[in-house]
Amino acid sequence: EPEVTQTPSHQVTQMGQEVILRCVPISNHLYFYWYRQILGQKVEFLVSFYNNEISEKSEIFDDQFSVERPDGSNFTLKIRSTKLEDSAMYFCASKNSGNTIYFGEGSWLTVV
Amino acid sequence: GDSVTQMEGPVTLSEEAFLTINCTYTATGYPSLFWYVQYPGEGLQLLLKATKADDKGSNKGFEATYRKETTSFHLEKGSVQVSDSAVYFCALSPAYNFNKFYFGSGTKLNVKP
Repeated sequence: EPEVTQTPSHQVTQMGQEVILRCVPISNHLYFYWYRQILGQKVEFLVSFYNNEISEKSEIFDDQFSVERPDGSNFTLKIRSTKLEDSAMYFCASKNSGNTIYFGEGSWLTVV
Repeated sequence: GDSVTQMEGPVTLSEEAFLTINCTYTATGYPSLFWYVQYPGEGLQLLLKATKADDKGSNKGFEATYRKETTSFHLEKGSVQVSDSAVYFCALSPAYNFNKFYFGSGTKLNVKP
């Protein structure tokens, strides 16, 4: 069964460093998403991406964050100058034209 | 705004017990409703969904009925197994924007042998 894959599964980074989280969505999907889950809290929407551009973003997704689909298969989330409060599980997701999204296994980011 | 509220956990049950995890929502119109499950060390997996009022989603012995009158989508299973131990998330996708999902805070289920 096709699945969304994410790398790395866990990354530890120092405060102020840049981090890139990578995702390979399901191949025939058109809509791509990043969500995050701070430990013990809700899963929160960050950004959606369609037709090579951001279609929607939340208040969390400020200038510190960016997304890119550099080569038609990967979908990346870049976090510049990480802060302690960026420590969370980051989920990539994708969907086709239906209303069900499929999630990857998540990338656990720890900022120290 | 649109939101989902689900019962706090953890919920601890013995094997073969009956499970209910409550979920209520606030939304405009008729959103689509989902239950996702997160097994230890894994990502979010779609468990079941319902897209209109009175629909019943079901999968792996789990069921949930879309109740518009009570704005609820409670998850039930008649006889839980140890392998059902996981975190369960209720979610909605608004009728006006299928691009968006709102999640509850998750309910951890522990099933003891």
